[in-house]
Amino acid sequence: GENVEQHPSTLSVQEGDSAVIKCTYSDSASNYFPWYKQELGKRPQLIIDIRSNVGEKKDQRIAVTLNKTAKHFSLHITETQPEDSAVYFCAASIGGTSYGKLTFGQGTILTVHP
Amino acid sequence: ETGVTQTPRHLVMGMTNKKSLKCEQHLGHNAMYWYKQSAKKPLELMFVYNFKEQTENNSVPSRFSPECPNSSHLFLHLHTLQPEDSALYLCASSSIRTSGTDTQYFGPGTRLTVL
Repeated sequence: GENVEQHPSTLSVQEGDSAVIKCTYSDSASNYFPWYKQELGKRPQLIIDIRSNVGEKKDQRIAVTLNKTAKHFSLHITETQPEDSAVYFCAASIGGTSYGKLTFGQGTILTVHP
Repeated sequence: ETGVTQTPRHLVMGMTNKKSLKCEQHLGHNAMYWYKQSAKKPLELMFVYNFKEQTENNSVPSRFSPECPNSSHLFLHLHTLQPEDSALYLCASSSIRTSGTDTQYFGPGTRLTVL
């Protein structure tokens, strides 16, 4: 089955700096890659996603890049703010008959220091 | 925040108890999911239901028994659990897209403690 590796496990940055989290996946058939943010005691919430037919997607301070050849995708957060502090999870999914089956990475604890 | 609801939010049970977790989605979705979230582990998919039919059982022990009576409701029946089953149990829902996976929306979770 699919295997998703996420790095780093913890990331500490100063407010205003950029943060980058990377994930690799094993199944070349995966075609959907969401990123979720989970604040302490709250539910995971989708912040951005990308499908395999595009290489990059941006939404204000957040961007995701996908390299299908290398089977990795990354989350980029620019101008970080203290409220960006949370656990971030990447995931990968195969479409077709396996639709709905998300395999998650281990999570990255991001801390933004004021 | 009210699209997917879960009850109870917290549950403490003994190893011989029987309890049930409930999930309800108000988003008009037709797929629902149970995940287990343990400390220092990735989110683990347990079960998937599409149009009330179970399409995925991710090698979950039989002490966890899911039930999906309709596309809006999902239950997880628990019996003779072990202390290592203590975790946050998350429900999610999504639309079904034959060309790929659609966004999954999570509930707030049930924090389960097994004594």
